[in-house]
Amino acid sequence: DAKTTQPNSMESNEEEPVHLPCNHSTISGTDYIHWYRQLPSQGPEYVIHGLTSNVNNRMASLAIAEDRKSSTLILHRATLRDAAVYYCILRARAAGNKLTFGGGTRVLVKP
Amino acid sequence: DTGVSQNPRHKITKRGQNVTFRCDPISEHNRLYWYRQTLGQGPEFLTYFQNEAQLEKSRLLSDRFSAERPKGSFSTLEIQRTEQGDSAMYLCASSSPQLASSSYNEQFFGPGTRLTVL
Repeated sequence: DAKTTQPNSMESNEEEPVHLPCNHSTISGTDYIHWYRQLPSQGPEYVIHGLTSNVNNRMASLAIAEDRKSSTLILHRATLRDAAVYYCILRARAAGNKLTFGGGTRVLVKP
Repeated sequence: DTGVSQNPRHKITKRGQNVTFRCDPISEHNRLYWYRQTLGQGPEFLTYFQNEAQLEKSRLLSDRFSAERPKGSFSTLEIQRTEQGDSAMYLCASSSPQLASSSYNEQFFGPGTRLTVL
């Protein structure tokens, strides 16, 4: 699986946007970019995914660079409930079903 | 609650003992996964079932580990002769069949079983 690089941690103030970067310079043409997050004492949960175009859902937005070598997860208004570890994962559609997690970014939200 | 459930939530055992964990996936999901997570690290894939067939096993799954899904519903993960290095959170996830037109099949995770080996 191609490797992703994320900062270890980020801090944000409540109700401010959070931009979480992910570098994936070795991404292949068939790799989708997935984001999962893990709240304290819980299993991971799906956030969003994309291939080439930017994506929006109720939880977040995903901005993908034109060359696809990096992407940014955007939480538009952070709440205390968004404090979690966020994982950026590359997954080839035809390469099986496992998720390969890296270390993720721990997001701290200050009231 | 119709999510993925895992039992027990916590297990403390002595080195050398055998332990077994159970995972009940979301009822219509035919795919089931086991992951292991140590403190401060992301989850690591252990094994994957489609229905009752175990289709992939990680090199992390040593001979002391065995997983089953006998009727394609719940799954068990057994660790024999536990070692202190087995202490971790064991996570189970399930997903529905991937449609040919779909770009993903979201995995739904349970709360995990935390194993402590003394």
